[in-house]
Amino acid sequence: GQNIDQPTEMTATEGAIVQINCTYQTSGFNGLFWYQQHAGEAPTFLSYNVLDGLEEKGRFSSFLSRSKGYSYLLLKELQMKDSASYLCAVMDSNYQLIWGAGTKLIIKP
Amino acid sequence: NAGVTQTPKFQVLKTGQSMTLQCAQDMNHEYMSWYRQDPGMGLRLIHYSVGAGITDQGEVPNGYNVSRSTTEDFPLRLLSAAPSQTSVYFCASSYSTSGRADTGELFFGEGSRLTVL
Repeated sequence: GQNIDQPTEMTATEGAIVQINCTYQTSGFNGLFWYQQHAGEAPTFLSYNVLDGLEEKGRFSSFLSRSKGYSYLLLKELQMKDSASYLCAVMDSNYQLIWGAGTKLIIKP
Repeated sequence: NAGVTQTPKFQVLKTGQSMTLQCAQDMNHEYMSWYRQDPGMGLRLIHYSVGAGITDQGEVPNGYNVSRSTTEDFPLRLLSAAPSQTSVYFCASSYSTSGRADTGELFFGEGSRLTVL
């Protein structure tokens, strides 16, 4: 079966750095997405990786290793507004998205 | 620019009732989809459409119908509501057809929270 694993919850301190991991086993691979979802709101797109390596976008970076079935989202200079759930999703060989359950990130002052 | 608009935002139904969740987008996206989101689970695809007149089933289609008569609208119909359909429903659209765009980035509506008693 297809599976996306990410930690259920993480806690970090304002101003610090946090890394949210995602491992996947899917039927084929056509890219990996990260979305941010604040409580009670819709998911919003953060990043897309299809090739190995690091993609940087401001305070957020996303890394992919296809051979290891592994990705991480790195958040730097954490702000209180970064408190949210972070969803990892993989596009499989049929171009359908398989979603992880999400990682709830709690930022403490 | 409204993006993806879903109505209603909240709805309470009794078991056996039917209803339609509305979804409209003004971005001329070919791809539209409906997901449900339940605690502790990833988003699950109910139905999707790659263009007007074309719909297909996702992972959890039972109990739901869709149609796509225009590019803009993609309503989701619950035929006979059951407590297991209590969930938050999201409509999402993207530029891609079958995900074959540069990014396949999905744009989500604000969600519809449905409770079935």
